[in-house]
Amino acid sequence: QQQVKQSPQSLIVQKGGISIINCAYENTAFDYFPWYQQFPGKGPALLIAIRPDVSEKKEGRFTISFNKSAKQFSLHIMDSQPGDSATYFCAAHKAAGNKLTFGGGTRVLVKP
Amino acid sequence: ETGVTQSPTHLIKTRGQQVTLRCSSQSGHNTVSWYQQALGQGPQFIFQYYREEENGRGNFPPRFSGLQFPNYSSELNVNALELDDSALYLCASSLAAGRSYEQYFGPGTRLTVT
Repeated sequence: QQQVKQSPQSLIVQKGGISIINCAYENTAFDYFPWYQQFPGKGPALLIAIRPDVSEKKEGRFTISFNKSAKQFSLHIMDSQPGDSATYFCAAHKAAGNKLTFGGGTRVLVKP
Repeated sequence: ETGVTQSPTHLIKTRGQQVTLRCSSQSGHNTVSWYQQALGQGPQFIFQYYREEENGRGNFPPRFSGLQFPNYSSELNVNALELDDSALYLCASSLAAGRSYEQYFGPGTRLTVT
């Protein structure tokens, strides 16, 4: 049962462009929605996270938009750089059990 | 501050064998979670340990088991290995409360079952 669905699977963007990754969830018992970034050969690392009672959170070039009624959230990477080339995972956190449920991942390639 | 470390880095086993993977959590973290990441997919939650007790489990069979030690390090044991167990196994440490959604991942152990 896939509780968090992520799209697209892959994305190519020019340097300076905007990368947009979308996620949808089913369970309403989640308390945080983090995004993780994973480089080849490394474990995922937390990028930014949002609570369901907040509609938008921005940290540097990364912005999460959250639509609670639609059960959807998205990551926007502004002014994309070649160093942003990585796989991005959305996730949903459930306080009970401290469990993270991950989406399938989006492989982002930023072309110089 | 020491990050999450895992050993070994790579491992090749034969179907039916048993394997033990090890993880040292980040300093100050009392919770350890294990995830299985198949190639091209997101990490799947296996189980979590808090204060040496299993504190939640995903949809994995009982042949996946674990331990947490008093120093919060942890082991993942997999018995009767199957070909589908080939994956990257990630360990993540976190605090039990507060920013518990912020999990610090190790680099993983790449397990290949032949």
